[in-house]
Amino acid sequence: NAGVTQTPKFQVLKTGQSMTLQCAQDMNHNSMYWYRQDPGMGLRLIYYSASEGTTDKGEVPNGYNVSRLNKREFSLRLESAAPSQTSVYFCASSEYGLLAYGYTFGSGTRLTVV
Amino acid sequence: SQQGEEDPQALSIQEGENATMNCSYKTSINNLQWYRQNSGRGLVHLILIRSNEREKHSGRLRVTLDTSKKSSSLLITASRAADTASYFCATDGYKLSFGAGTTVTVRA
Repeated sequence: NAGVTQTPKFQVLKTGQSMTLQCAQDMNHNSMYWYRQDPGMGLRLIYYSASEGTTDKGEVPNGYNVSRLNKREFSLRLESAAPSQTSVYFCASSEYGLLAYGYTFGSGTRLTVV
Repeated sequence: SQQGEEDPQALSIQEGENATMNCSYKTSINNLQWYRQNSGRGLVHLILIRSNEREKHSGRLRVTLDTSKKSSSLLITASRAADTASYFCATDGYKLSFGAGTTVTVRA
């Protein structure tokens, strides 16, 4: 089925460890996004890539880096994990622009930092 | 950011009843979208309404938009247990901003 695939689904890290969350979409969308979701706070945008070759900071970029590897893939890296980064991470994709029809979300990565 | 804020935070209704939730936003928009999130899952796009539209329907969903009041409402008619989920509005553009959502519980 077409959609957004995120790996891994669950991860436990120790403080200071690094990891990369992977995201791939097969809908030929131009734009891709990383959000985090914390209880009672909705979704907050971490980074986005409006098109292949570009990345920009969102609302909460500190402690994260991203790579738009190609049109399909957009990865999120935590260089030195902190307990405050315990969250559920969602990747999404969409067509570019103001008339974007809607986002397609992955099923999420549940990350716990101890 | 053009953040949508949903109201109420939580809603509990009996199966078969209608559920209404509201969204307010701060600045001018080009479109507003509603999403559903089932527990432990990703968000699913439900409906998009453009700024020049006042009402839109999709199955049992009805969305209204009042740009003068900077608000939107989502009505779910004849609710079912499967409608139990969190509902989010999101405003505009190539980087959507989401509110904290309305959690809807449909009791059998």
